[in-house]
Amino acid sequence: VKLLESGGDLVQPGGSLRLSCTASGFTFSANAMSWVRQAPGKGLEWISFLSGDSAGTFYADSVKGRFTISRDNSKNTLYLQMNSLRAEDTAVYYCAKWKGLKMISYYVDYWGQGTLVTVSS
Amino acid sequence: QSVLTQPPSVSGAPGQRVSISCTGSSSNVGAGYDVHWYQQLPGTAPKVLIYGNTNRPSGVPDRFSGSKSGTSASLAITGLQAEDEADYYCQSYDNSLSGYVFGTGTKVTVL
Repeated sequence: VKLLESGGDLVQPGGSLRLSCTASGFTFSANAMSWVRQAPGKGLEWISFLSGDSAGTFYADSVKGRFTISRDNSKNTLYLQMNSLRAEDTAVYYCAKWKGLKMISYYVDYWGQGTLVTVSS
Repeated sequence: QSVLTQPPSVSGAPGQRVSISCTGSSSNVGAGYDVHWYQQLPGTAPKVLIYGNTNRPSGVPDRFSGSKSGTSASLAITGLQAEDEADYYCQSYDNSLSGYVFGTGTKVTVL
């Protein structure tokens, strides 16, 4: 299993950025995915969830209305569209694959290496 | 913002036992949702250590064990080794936030 993020960059406050996560080694369409971020020197923060068939999606309050998670199962790729970026969005963004019998008991069994997003003027 | 509280740091000498608590509430751990634990070595992505409160993935040493009771969970490391020096996070689901939550994180230092 491999998860490879890309798209991290330096962006000005108020700007937009799209992250991608290319997956391999498992049946991508059958697995729920998330984005988890980690601000410099801080802890982990879950920010978005997307079911395998894209029917179920939800967000942390900190990004709701500004970020959109999506996927293209034909390309084995997960995306995160980030708009209206703020300084507090500066973080390493990890792509995460969920495992478990029920959504409420899911845990992350694989993580990408992360991509750094810096929001600064 | 995290709703799962962990001690900022714990330390122990090689060979000793340390324990990390993860305290939640009635909307997450106390609601019966599973607690999972991750280890994050410096400069790397997290890795799952314990899932479903007490289960170890293959490859994780049996020095690591998890437990849960009421609104709290714990990760124990017995026979502490230098390679265990890392940050540790608990994770669960929260029904009031309708999303997943991570603990505040604990840095384990091997003296």
